[in-house]
Amino acid sequence: EPEVTQTPSHQVTQMGQEVILRCVPISNHLYFYWYRQILGQKVEFLVSFYNNEISEKSEIFDDQFSVERPDGSNFTLKIRSTKLEDSAMYFCASLRRNIQYFGAGTRLSVL
Amino acid sequence: DAKTTQPTSMDCAEGRAANLPCNHSTISGNEYVYWYRQIHSQGPQYIIHGLKNNETNEMASLIITEDRKSSTLILPHATLRDTAVYYCIAALSGYALNFGKGTSLLVTP
Repeated sequence: EPEVTQTPSHQVTQMGQEVILRCVPISNHLYFYWYRQILGQKVEFLVSFYNNEISEKSEIFDDQFSVERPDGSNFTLKIRSTKLEDSAMYFCASLRRNIQYFGAGTRLSVL
Repeated sequence: DAKTTQPTSMDCAEGRAANLPCNHSTISGNEYVYWYRQIHSQGPQYIIHGLKNNETNEMASLIITEDRKSSTLILPHATLRDTAVYYCIAALSGYALNFGKGTSLLVTP
């Protein structure tokens, strides 16, 4: 069964550094999403992306964040200057037939 | 998105049916009811969804009341591996999913 693939599974970075989290959505899916989950808290929506444009974003998704589909398969989330509070699990999802399918996530640890 | 209300936690004996309730009294006519679950910090796993009619798949059944103000997720024969946090979400297709705190289901031997 096709899956949403996320790499790396764990990313460790220093505060102030840029990080790029990568996702390979399920083939032929057209809508893509990023969510995050801070340890012990609920899953929070960040952004949705369709037709090479952001279609919806939350107040969490500020100027520090950006998304891109650099080629036909990858979907990336960039955090320009990481803060300690960016430490979280980041989940990518893609949509087909009204259902969002999630990847296993990337654990981002900001030191 | 409509707000949903779920019990904080539930227990279920292994092999028995687990019935997880959800209230969504402010749901709009074109919002779906989605159920996901999350085991530890793994990615949310889709279980089932519905608009008006009851639905069944290989994982679960979804019973939606006629007025659509509440629903019940049924896991017919719970196993230990069904221990997870279950989220009921009312949302328009394609839009952001608002994960609340969900119901923590513990399946006991």
